[in-house]
Amino acid sequence: QVQLQESGPGLVKPSETLSLTCTVSGGSISSYYWSWIRQPPGKGLEWIGYIYYSGSTNYNPSLKSRVTISVDTSKNQFSLKLSSVTAADTAVYYCARGRVTVDYYYMDVWGKGTTVTVSS
Amino acid sequence: SSELTQDPAVSVALGQTVRITCQGDSLRSYYASWYQQKPGQAPVLVIYGKNNRPSGIPDRFSGSSSGNTASLTITGAQAEDEADYYCNSRDSSGNPLVFGGGTKLTVL
Repeated sequence: QVQLQESGPGLVKPSETLSLTCTVSGGSISSYYWSWIRQPPGKGLEWIGYIYYSGSTNYNPSLKSRVTISVDTSKNQFSLKLSSVTAADTAVYYCARGRVTVDYYYMDVWGKGTTVTVSS
Repeated sequence: SSELTQDPAVSVALGQTVRITCQGDSLRSYYASWYQQKPGQAPVLVIYGKNNRPSGIPDRFSGSSSGNTASLTITGAQAEDEADYYCNSRDSSGNPLVFGGGTKLTVL
């Protein structure tokens, strides 16, 4: 079955750029939407953005100025870059596979999550 | 604005039925999806669309919607259902996708 695995540095300095990659195994990255979601310690889920396998993107307006999501279909990977990070960006970051219809969106496969701490 | 509201905490006696609700204007246009999250684990999809369960999700989980409210019902709650539950929906007012704040379910 399809599995997702997040990877990237666990510690990022303030004002720098957080970079994470999600590797899709057991299936193709084609024909799905691929999301990044984060969860600060002790808090709820926050959707960051998604990318369609073709490359079109959609971002959370509250993060849009700092976020870039890209896809590499040849490697079955998609990536997140979040610039100018602060301590408020400390969270567990999840990647997830999504499906969209006219009247709903859902994420049916999730990675285990990776913890990113922003600290000097 | 884009927002989904959930009760922070709900409790249910073992074997009884519990309903977890999610309110928001976007739910008048879109169905919610529901996720279960246990401590230290990634969320798991339990309901999507009108009332669809992914493979492997017990049939005691069901979903419904009326007006601006979506509901997740657990009929005959089990100890293993104790978890945080999040609703999620498409939205057309600005934020394409939004999560509710989550409901902590305690099974007594």
